[in-house]
Amino acid sequence: DGGITQSPKYLFRKEGQNVTLSCEQNLNHDAMYWYRQDPGQGLRLIYYSQIVNDFQKGDIAEGYSVSREKKESFPLTVTSAQKNPTAFYLCASSMSRAVKTQYFGPGTRLLVL
Amino acid sequence: AQSVSQHNHHVILSEAASLELGCNYSYGGTVNLFWYVQYPGQHLQLLLKYFSGDPLVKGIKGFEAEFIKSKFSFNLRKPSVQWSDTAEYFCAVNDNNNDMRFGAGTRLTVKP
Repeated sequence: DGGITQSPKYLFRKEGQNVTLSCEQNLNHDAMYWYRQDPGQGLRLIYYSQIVNDFQKGDIAEGYSVSREKKESFPLTVTSAQKNPTAFYLCASSMSRAVKTQYFGPGTRLLVL
Repeated sequence: AQSVSQHNHHVILSEAASLELGCNYSYGGTVNLFWYVQYPGQHLQLLLKYFSGDPLVKGIKGFEAEFIKSKFSFNLRKPSVQWSDTAEYFCAVNDNNNDMRFGAGTRLTVKP
């Protein structure tokens, strides 16, 4: 089955802790994206990557970091600098940055203890 | 800055009623337009998209949307909704140079 997987489904973070959300795709897409979804605010772009070993900040990158060491993987780290991390995090991919249709994973809900 | 507005936050309809969800955007120039749907407990799915050509676009599950360039709008319609259409609907817009922008979403509740 082709698609995007995210894990875990739920994640709990303690104060001062960094946590990493996983995103994997087997669609052979070059571009990958991380969004944050908050109630009543739609989706906001955190980071995107057009190709392996390259990534760019989106609108709300502060307190987050990413890596893109493999084409199929784009993990997101929520650092302790992110003061309001409770949200639903969605990973997406597209064939390339120029191909505008994005496909989404099932999401990870992050909660702060 | 580019923005996308969805006029209704929560719409409640009875089965068989007609649906129209509004979407307006502030981009100038050529745009690509999308409607995504998020069913309860499921991931965001593409409902339909417009890049060029016929401004009336048909998508999955009987949905359609009309691009009206002069009004900067891309409203979603369905002539007769079903209980299974209960979901959150997101309009999204980008152009060739910018990131995709999403509206705040409209929650649709269809009463059986």
